[in-house]
Amino acid sequence: DTEVTQTPKHLVMGMTNKKSLKCEQHMGHRAMYWYKQKAKKPPELMFVYSYEKLSINESVPSRFSPECPNSSLLNLHLHALQPEDSALYLCASSSPGQIYEQYFGPGTRLTVT
Amino acid sequence: SQQGEEDPQALSIQEGENATMNCSYKTSINNLQWYRQNSGRGLVHLILIRSNEREKHSGRLRVTLDTSKKSSSLLITASRAADTASYFCATDAGNYGQNFVFGPGTRLSVLP
Repeated sequence: DTEVTQTPKHLVMGMTNKKSLKCEQHMGHRAMYWYKQKAKKPPELMFVYSYEKLSINESVPSRFSPECPNSSLLNLHLHALQPEDSALYLCASSSPGQIYEQYFGPGTRLTVT
Repeated sequence: SQQGEEDPQALSIQEGENATMNCSYKTSINNLQWYRQNSGRGLVHLILIRSNEREKHSGRLRVTLDTSKKSSSLLITASRAADTASYFCATDAGNYGQNFVFGPGTRLSVLP
């Protein structure tokens, strides 16, 4: 199984809502990532988890809160988002070695109204 | 922050022609990778080239890396309509490969 799944596929939320994005992989990967991608732009790294511990946080606003409950699951909790946070949120996983490739999920299209 | 810069930003070719995309970067790297993204979907890994390699092939793909010029190129031969997508280079500058930076990407259109 070389698939990374993400739910939901689409999410519309108001600025006062609390929602969560979910990501799951069963490839035995021990590194998982969240990226944010705006239209016609490259993905921008938000968070990296290695062995279920947050190892990189690219100065992301606190209204985004990541969580890695176990080695297969990655969540992104959203609270009090702004319209400019509307984007495609991508999850990826990889082996946490020195040379690796990342496997991406299909993304969650988030719209903040 | 963006490290890689792709050139051209957009490329339109006829089916059967070759497509070449270039990527430049600024700092030392551990390896460089190319990914493809179909419209609004996840990225798919295409090929990885290590910093001590100069050229690599995979099917219709050929990647070169020139670390002295801090640049890489991706060649897709005998293009097909299904190759229409955005192509991104991604540089890995170390930290056990947990610090990926994508270039701005090239949007390739292959016309039937």
